[in-house]
Amino acid sequence: AQTVTQSQPEMSVQEAETVTLSCTYDTSESNYYLFWYKQPPSRQMILVIRQEAYKQQNATENRFSVNFQKAAKSFSLKISDSQLGDTAMYFCAGGGTASKLTFGTGTRLQVTL
Amino acid sequence: GAGVSQSPSNKVTEKGKDVELRCDPISGHTALYWYRQSLGQGLEFLIYFQGNSAPDKSGLPSDRFSAERTGGSVSTLTIQRTQQEDSAVYLCASSLRALFNTGELFFGEGSRLTVL
Repeated sequence: AQTVTQSQPEMSVQEAETVTLSCTYDTSESNYYLFWYKQPPSRQMILVIRQEAYKQQNATENRFSVNFQKAAKSFSLKISDSQLGDTAMYFCAGGGTASKLTFGTGTRLQVTL
Repeated sequence: GAGVSQSPSNKVTEKGKDVELRCDPISGHTALYWYRQSLGQGLEFLIYFQGNSAPDKSGLPSDRFSAERTGGSVSTLTIQRTQQEDSAVYLCASSLRALFNTGELFFGEGSRLTVL
């Protein structure tokens, strides 16, 4: 993706609840991939989930799922049954035939008791 | 190694000094990336290596920044005559394949650079 926008700088959710993080993107490419990465305080970025644009089915990884709306260029992340360990920065990113991923500015998620 | 290793973890330097940041990617990963993360910002792409060559260095902010990769493995990012605006976390990532083949990026823990 050429631009990636995350409009929620911070979010908070109670443990066991569900939270949705928003992401929009813009690209001129027809083949591209979208990602959500998690960055805990340790700084190491970890891949959470990946979506290929040509797939209509939304990707799911355990408690994490995406809502991919291709026409709207929207790619939100839903975290179900939130856990304290989910507290981190979450980055939306996109990549196509170019050699690099473009990242959003991130959403800081705080999971509270 | 088991993961991407970066050194130093933290570096404090004086304005005008040169610094070198090192990245040791996962063994066998042909693609290597450098990103910069400034406070409150997303990740800013710096440079991409495929093997020892850098087909995309479009993100290097000035000619004070350079990077090399030798033996298809270790990479060094060099910042000459550091400025305060260079203060950031420099992240390295590697991938088994280039991104357009949907290779997942594996990140190191980053090198935090502080320029006084």
